[in-house]
Amino acid sequence: NAGVMQNPRHLVRRRGQEARLRCSPMKGHSHVYWYRQLPEEGLKFMVYLQKENIIDESGMPKERFSAEFPKEGPSILRIQQVVRGDSAAYFCASSPPGTVGKYEQFFGPGTRLTVL
Amino acid sequence: EDQVTQSPEALRLQEGESSSLNCSYTVSGLRGLFWYRQDPGKGPEFLFTLYSAGEEKEKERLKATLTKKESFLHITAPKPEDSATYLCAVRADSNYQLIWGAGTKLIIKP
Repeated sequence: NAGVMQNPRHLVRRRGQEARLRCSPMKGHSHVYWYRQLPEEGLKFMVYLQKENIIDESGMPKERFSAEFPKEGPSILRIQQVVRGDSAAYFCASSPPGTVGKYEQFFGPGTRLTVL
Repeated sequence: EDQVTQSPEALRLQEGESSSLNCSYTVSGLRGLFWYRQDPGKGPEFLFTLYSAGEEKEKERLKATLTKKESFLHITAPKPEDSATYLCAVRADSNYQLIWGAGTKLIIKP
């Protein structure tokens, strides 16, 4: 059973470009979460999605950031007009359907975004 | 405000020297407490979920316990391969988010 997959693993962008990060949840999982981690800091929640629905985006900056989880295909975290402060590791996690929060989240290997 | 504090920030042990990591939390109704292990350059790896005070779970050299205010991750006779950052997170009744501690960096010297 494949785990959570994220690509690319490393992404380099120049200021002002767009970054697209992809996440394929574990088989059978319908809940996806995105987190950001800065060096030597804890994980910060960004957004929680189910298929075709954004459930909680309270941790995501209001501007330049968006996320989707379409009916078919991976979840996408999109960052427009990237700035140096966006440089971080972005992790995706998934959990099975059912009582929200009851089940542990399983994480992907992350995408390390570097903005030059 | 929901909060999670882990201590110590870093811990260096000799191989075989047992110790404990602490995770203190304040939440409005605990839905679950989660322990993860994170190796450099990798995503967090799930270890344990604890749901209620008094609950304990074990896996190899690790044992997690939970009270109404804190959780401990006990490591018995650690080996160098146990070196990692150990993360604690909680979910409260009030929202869907996991609230994370900053982690404890554990180094086991041979």
